[in-house]
Amino acid sequence: EGQLVESGGGLVQPGRSLRLSCAASGFTFEDYAMHWVRQAPGKGLEWVSGISWNSGSIGYADSVKGRFTISRDNAKNSLYLQMNSLTPEDTALYYCAKDRTIMPDDAFDVWGQGTMVTVSS
Amino acid sequence: QSVLTQPPSASGTPGQRVTISCSGSSSNIGTNYVYWYQQLPGTAPKLLIYRNNQRPSGVPDRFSGSRSGTSASLAISGLRSEDEADYYCAAWDDRLSVVFGGGTRLTVL
Repeated sequence: EGQLVESGGGLVQPGRSLRLSCAASGFTFEDYAMHWVRQAPGKGLEWVSGISWNSGSIGYADSVKGRFTISRDNAKNSLYLQMNSLTPEDTALYYCAKDRTIMPDDAFDVWGQGTMVTVSS
Repeated sequence: QSVLTQPPSASGTPGQRVTISCSGSSSNIGTNYVYWYQQLPGTAPKLLIYRNNQRPSGVPDRFSGSRSGTSASLAISGLRSEDEADYYCAAWDDRLSVVFGGGTRLTVL
């Protein structure tokens, strides 16, 4: 089925940057689209960004467009999220999730355990 | 305010059948597939239903999904204590982004 392990979270001041990573194993990473989904403390799920198998198709939620950049390295079986100009509203548990298909347009069938990002002065 | 609307809570007794609704619009549920995720306390979400009514392998057939127009529903039959969790509906929208419901907390009485 596969496994996803996120890393890179932590406490960061407003306006600063952070880069999240997601290491994939147990499936052929380059055959699937990938996503980032976040969950603020005590709140629901919010899709952040998705990327196709070959990075040719990328999408962002309006709330992060222009500030966050998703990328992947198929040779390293890794997914990334570069987060710039962070605000307290970005405080959340960030999940890496695998799509069922090569394009970012289907269900998320494998999830990591998440990495916590806290934006505070 | 979530794009998809779910009741914040639902409850049932063991063995009962419970349904959770999800209301959207023509730009999401009305034209795209609906998905359901289960999030047990303190854990990551898990895919429960994809493409309106398909179950991934390993998901019991007690869980079923349906879609009609701009609404969808998740039904859980033969309710069990381990079904106590948060349930989220989701759909892609015409702006090529995923929208989620606010989640429904299911309590097994």
